[in-house]
Amino acid sequence: EADIYQTPRYLVIGTGKKITLECSQTMGHDKMYWYQQDPGMELHLIHYSYGVNSTEKGDLSSESTVSRIRTEHFPLTLESARPSHTSQYLCASTGQGSLPLHFGNGTRLTVT
Amino acid sequence: KQEVTQIPAALSVPEGENLVLNCSFTDSAIYNLQWFRQDPGKGLTSLLLIQSSQREQTSGRLNASLDKSSGRSTLYIAASQPGDSATYLCAVKSSGDKLTFGTGTRLAVRP
Repeated sequence: EADIYQTPRYLVIGTGKKITLECSQTMGHDKMYWYQQDPGMELHLIHYSYGVNSTEKGDLSSESTVSRIRTEHFPLTLESARPSHTSQYLCASTGQGSLPLHFGNGTRLTVT
Repeated sequence: KQEVTQIPAALSVPEGENLVLNCSFTDSAIYNLQWFRQDPGKGLTSLLLIQSSQREQTSGRLNASLDKSSGRSTLYIAASQPGDSATYLCAVKSSGDKLTFGTGTRLAVRP
């Protein structure tokens, strides 16, 4: 099983709060990704990183931001959460070349 | 723009049945195709990865095939079990090093 961890597993917060979703991997992977998935819907890429100090926006516009200061850590931050941010957020990583993508268990965020 | 379609959207079968899940993609210029399993409220678990130069991959009761020229892949599950119940997603890796996911097939295996 892949070693990629997301915390918290579940989060319920009020509108306007600042939150950070954590993602860490112990495989030394250079490439890391954040996906957003609503129930029963497809995954949408919101951010990705190909290495330290490298971050890019994905295909789906998101008000969140990310940082990549260390190879193993790729946190996602929402400065002011809104009910429209309610969703499941999935972090993934992979190495160089044509290798499988490994996912964490996700963070299910509910903004009230 | 790559588009990935999975048919059927949902499938219910009795235990022991062999079944096939389908995945089609519009742009045949892919690097690889990956099949995942997702249990409710969980992340995705990688099942099989087929490189663009390969025709199939096998793991236990699972066999995935790839026909790049026709833009199709199938996931064959032999002797299905209730524990196979989950959503199965395929994803293709195209130019730009990003994956495009299908919407998945929700499988229920009845005891």
